[in-house]
Amino acid sequence: SAVISQKPSRDICQRGTSLTIQCQVDSQVTMMFWYRQQPGQSLTLIATANQGSEATYESGFVIDKFPISRPNLTFSTLTVSNMSPEDSSIYLCSVAPSMGDTQYFGPGTRLTVL
Amino acid sequence: AQSVTQPDIHITVSEGASLELRCNYSYGATPYLFWYVQSPGQGLQLLLKYFSGDTLVQGIKGFEAEFKRSQSSFNLRKPSVHWSDAAEYFCAVGPATDSWGKFQFGAGTQVVVTP
Repeated sequence: SAVISQKPSRDICQRGTSLTIQCQVDSQVTMMFWYRQQPGQSLTLIATANQGSEATYESGFVIDKFPISRPNLTFSTLTVSNMSPEDSSIYLCSVAPSMGDTQYFGPGTRLTVL
Repeated sequence: AQSVTQPDIHITVSEGASLELRCNYSYGATPYLFWYVQSPGQGLQLLLKYFSGDTLVQGIKGFEAEFKRSQSSFNLRKPSVHWSDAAEYFCAVGPATDSWGKFQFGAGTQVVVTP
């Protein structure tokens, strides 16, 4: 398994601002994933981040709104840009150590936008 | 396209009673199936997974799940629930080992445990 940490654990932000969420893994992993979990909902995949290449975004999510960096095999960031109250969610990163493997999740970042 | 259905949005169970959470999937090939638990304010923790082999899978915290291909189901069970089992439970289908395809999560089942 992998141990994953996220920063910040929670934040309250003003509309129109941006927040960058960090995801750190204790081992090198090929694929990292970013999910959004809106209040009372299941998980929705935002994008898949492979080290050394552009992130692949799911339908309904765009790079201008959710830019992602993946500078190395243990770290990734997700930025939520120009936030609105509709962006209030839990944002989770996960990792898959190898192809077809289990995904392991971080503790999540609880974002509230006022 | 793959999909996961958890028919029960909310289940209330008495402490010490048995628990069964239903999960049905639709997938074109042999699925890789997972159950995760999310306690309030926490991330997702893997309970168990099924890749192949024995269709009855044992997991952590006393949970088990049974894969039934004929019914396209992967139901989660626990013989005797504890108050700490109150949480949200998610069933998920993962891609085959030769693919980086995404996971598909069910809508989740909220479990409430009463004294």
